[in-house]
Amino acid sequence: AQSVTQPDIHITVSEGASLELRCNYSYGATPYLFWYVQSPGQGLQLLLKYFSGDTLVQGIKGFEAEFKRSQSSFNLRKPSVHWSDAAEYFCAVGAVGTGANNLFFGTGTRLTVIP
Amino acid sequence: EAGVAQSPRYKIIEKRQSVAFWCNPISGHATLYWYQQILGQGPKLLIQFQNNGVVDDSQLPKDRFSAERLKGVDSTLKIQPAKLEDSAMYLCASSLLGLATGELFFGEGSRLTVL
Repeated sequence: AQSVTQPDIHITVSEGASLELRCNYSYGATPYLFWYVQSPGQGLQLLLKYFSGDTLVQGIKGFEAEFKRSQSSFNLRKPSVHWSDAAEYFCAVGAVGTGANNLFFGTGTRLTVIP
Repeated sequence: EAGVAQSPRYKIIEKRQSVAFWCNPISGHATLYWYQQILGQGPKLLIQFQNNGVVDDSQLPKDRFSAERLKGVDSTLKIQPAKLEDSAMYLCASSLLGLATGELFFGEGSRLTVL
């Protein structure tokens, strides 16, 4: 069965500092992996995705993530955080099978940015 | 390009009452999803449509929840009768070809409070 673990419920960083959000997944085959961001009261927006190929993927807003098969991880990084990055971040694994194609989400990490 | 439209944005009802949420996906998107997001948790799939057919409704509490997508475009999710534990954000998402295209586009959600 597919599952996603985001071990950090809440992270606080200073503006301009670097950021790493952790994500571990469980999936029986090569996963499709995603990071979504959700601002308060809003829907989810895709930051980046990994299907295959280069294990370091670039996304929007200066985010990147690295797929490490040996560690079953897909951690999200940003070298310098901006105040506008404060939001909830969700890692998700895609279950691609006959007919049903949907996402399994982690519980999210809430990011607070302090001046 | 217009995004995924959802209404109402907020709804407050008493337990045992009924409620309906509406979703209009991005034009041309064949796949439509309804997710339930309880506060502090990641979204959980309730039902997935491909055009007007149900692909996956294994997590839909069918004794009280129902959903339809009659003409393969917009969709309605209904809860009757509502329980306290149904208080959540209901997110609609659409995709051109499911996960094969790599991205689900989410609406802003409908927040339900059951008193």
